[in-house]
Amino acid sequence: ETGVTQTPRHLVMGMTNKKSLKCEQHLGHNAMYWYKQSAKKPLELMFVYNFKEQTENNSVPSRFSPECPNSSHLFLHLHTLQPEDSALYLCASSQSSGRDGQYFGPGTRLTVT
Amino acid sequence: RKEVEQDPGPFNVPEGATVAFNCTYSNSASQSFFWYRQDCRKEPKLLMSVYSSGNEDGRFTAQLNRASQYISLLIRDSKLSDSATYLCAVSLNAGNNRKLIWGLGTSLAVNP
Repeated sequence: ETGVTQTPRHLVMGMTNKKSLKCEQHLGHNAMYWYKQSAKKPLELMFVYNFKEQTENNSVPSRFSPECPNSSHLFLHLHTLQPEDSALYLCASSQSSGRDGQYFGPGTRLTVT
Repeated sequence: RKEVEQDPGPFNVPEGATVAFNCTYSNSASQSFFWYRQDCRKEPKLLMSVYSSGNEDGRFTAQLNRASQYISLLIRDSKLSDSATYLCAVSLNAGNNRKLIWGLGTSLAVNP
């Protein structure tokens, strides 16, 4: 399935590195999301964009910086991360209303060393 | 009380069994409810939206009980391929169906 794609699929980075995660959706949706999934924890919503405007920032540390240039693309810029930021980062998209559910990309498995 | 709670399981059932999961939520203003399935090391996949009147999709039936604030998922005639973690997601409130609160998931293992 290629509705929502994410790159890279795996990423290992040092604490001083800067990297970016990319997400693209081909579903004609107008809302896009970043989630963090860690072991033994529920999915944590990080950011929501609706028609390119950020509508939610769930108290995410500034070392995570999202960018949404248009309704089909979403980036997550990473810098000076901590080992506890190691997790699966999932992108999702939905219709603007959100009433029909969210569709996820395959995720980027991030390891911070 | 957690905003969304699920029994983590694991539920171990034989092929062909019927199994049911519940998910309780704390905010009575929630309007949108969903069941997702997540396979190991994969992304969550939308299984069903849950409507007030209940809905069915093949072997899967979802129901909403607003009075007791829970949703349920019933799987009939379980298949080996149903083995996965089942996540419930509930919208934060009536005005924001984009902000979902997620349960930890219920693990299901269907055995031959």
